[in-house]
Amino acid sequence: AQKITQTQPGMFVQEKEAVTLDCTYDTSDPSYGLFWYKQPSSGEMIFLIYQGSYDQQNATEGRYSLNFQKARKSANLVISASQLGDSAMYFCAMSPLGGTDSWGKLQFGAGTQVVVTP
Amino acid sequence: DAGVIQSPRHEVTEMGQEVTLRCKPISGHNSLFWYRQTMMRGLELLIYFNNNVPIDDSGMPEDRFSAKMPNASFSTLKIQPSEPRDSAVYFCASSLTGYEQFFGPGTRLTVL
Repeated sequence: AQKITQTQPGMFVQEKEAVTLDCTYDTSDPSYGLFWYKQPSSGEMIFLIYQGSYDQQNATEGRYSLNFQKARKSANLVISASQLGDSAMYFCAMSPLGGTDSWGKLQFGAGTQVVVTP
Repeated sequence: DAGVIQSPRHEVTEMGQEVTLRCKPISGHNSLFWYRQTMMRGLELLIYFNNNVPIDDSGMPEDRFSAKMPNASFSTLKIQPSEPRDSAVYFCASSLTGYEQFFGPGTRLTVL
């Protein structure tokens, strides 16, 4: 069974500062993927970044980077140079990899609400 | 490029009525997922299809829920009969690789 934990229900960050969103996970699958999604107040789910458990390097996508620490089972999202448009709910998710029955089956954490202030 | 399309965007119905939610995945994607989002339970995977075949429906709450994917470009999620506790936002997502899933805008369902 998989479990995703996001312990920060909400946080404030000032514009142009960096923010780290925590995510820890638990799984018995030998290989898995970790994802971050953004959900602004308009409601849509926007894919941000992906990290495979087998990847040696941390994933980066523009201002987003994923701090992957496999031994600690953590996959924190770092947003650099925050912008007002980054205000949203952020979800960490994971999925087993390999095997038709489980591939892509995402399980989400509870989310962290980020508010960026001027 | 068109993203995942869901209809209707909003649905208000009375308890006991049948509700049908529709989804058109991104062309060429071979996996389709239905999720439900509520304040109490967060985002839950209800069912997913691979190449139009249901792979895992263990997240479907009960027999009142059913989903079909008659072809690669269309899927439905049906609730019959609907109950107030079914009120939620229902998302459809599609994927080509099984990694990145592209979500539709969601259908906000209110059952009175």
